[in-house]
Amino acid sequence: KNEVEQSPQNLTAQEGEFITINCSYSVGISALHWLQQHPGGGIVSLFMLSSGKKKHGRLIATINIQEKHSSLHITASHPRDSAVYICAAILSGGGADGLTFGKGTHLIIQP
Amino acid sequence: NAGVTQTPKFQVLKTGQSMTLQCAQDMNHEYMSWYRQDPGMGLRLIHYSVGAGITDQGEVPNGYNVSRSTTEDFPLRLLSAAPSQTSVYFCASSYSNGERETQYFGPGTRLLVL
Repeated sequence: KNEVEQSPQNLTAQEGEFITINCSYSVGISALHWLQQHPGGGIVSLFMLSSGKKKHGRLIATINIQEKHSSLHITASHPRDSAVYICAAILSGGGADGLTFGKGTHLIIQP
Repeated sequence: NAGVTQTPKFQVLKTGQSMTLQCAQDMNHEYMSWYRQDPGMGLRLIHYSVGAGITDQGEVPNGYNVSRSTTEDFPLRLLSAAPSQTSVYFCASSYSNGERETQYFGPGTRLLVL
């Protein structure tokens, strides 16, 4: 079982809709990243958070460490938001010093 | 700053051939990592480094070697390519400040092993 689960796997919405992508994890983490991968393949880090909430433009990320859950919200969605969104956890307690990734949510915003 | 650069962008190999995927960063980051991305699998950690001269294995290290002789460079070597190594490879780096912050990813290398 993957330690980091995302839902939904695929999401198609109309321009302007409020989007929520969820990420849950089954192990202790020290922080969690939200990444965006565009159709060209490049990966960009959107947020890194270990508690509370962060906002950047139309993007909002929240995390509840106790509930082992994080969400990424997009307000007033636009076709240029179409991408794969990936959450990635930094596991606490040692182990490989890298990120454990969810499988991604493929988001399509239709005009 | 160029950020994280990777070369080549695309490579075709025959089974058994060896090659090196190059990764370099000009941000003086201590942490560098190699990941592979396969359909339906998400990204998986191959090897990582916490500083020059220090490397360690990740989740899927078999068939790959790394070295970190300088802070800037972190090459990934395929010793004897196999079709199972067909994938997209990403190099990433981040600061070493007690807690890793923003991860910077390279543009990726698409590898096809025939």
